[in-house]
Amino acid sequence: EIVMTQSPATLSVSPGERATLSCRASQSISSNLAWYQQQPGQAPRLLIYGASTRATGIPARFSGSESGTRFTLTISGLQSEDFGVYYCQQYINWPLTFGGGTKVEIK
Amino acid sequence: QVQLQESGPGLVKPSETLSLTCNVSNYSIRSDSYWGWFRQPPGKGLEWIASIYHWGGTYYNPSLRSRVTISVDTSKNQFSLKMTSVTVADTAVYYCARHLIGTPPPDPQNVGWSRGSLVTVFS
Repeated sequence: EIVMTQSPATLSVSPGERATLSCRASQSISSNLAWYQQQPGQAPRLLIYGASTRATGIPARFSGSESGTRFTLTISGLQSEDFGVYYCQQYINWPLTFGGGTKVEIK
Repeated sequence: QVQLQESGPGLVKPSETLSLTCNVSNYSIRSDSYWGWFRQPPGKGLEWIASIYHWGGTYYNPSLRSRVTISVDTSKNQFSLKMTSVTVADTAVYYCARHLIGTPPPDPQNVGWSRGSLVTVFS
């Protein structure tokens, strides 16, 4: 099983600032990495797939990058609707696995 | 855009079987797609349970494999989950989804999740 590790667990950011979230895979997953956003009481929403491709309708302030088994989600110019929990997920093989999540909260 | 809606009882007694059905709209379940079930215990993270390919190939989380069955009904454009011998640890919000898997994943711009349904195991 591929273990996904996210850091930090909580990130306090002021509106308008940049948020940088990290995710590390326990082994190579190529670019088979997705980022999801989850607001309270809602289903996860796909933001990024292929490590860096934005899903349909996702604003350009969300960007993803990769370096080996380390992946980064950057939110530039954080807006009020961006606060919530973010999960990374590998989808190169079974079982599908998620990171533990990073909560982005208002500073 | 694909839409999914799960249905099933919100309360299940310990040792009984949890049954959920996911109805798919705006997308054929016969398409090149993987359809899966996920869950999220209250206040915790996401866990994958099982998936099925449109022709019936099945994939299970090893930690749940002995208690879970996923199936598809192409005539109704829906798929289902059965989980036997439930305990309080199975209390969670259950989601169904068209999800990503493999390289490249089929039609990645049409990933969709249901709104989620809380299932409580309660005696």
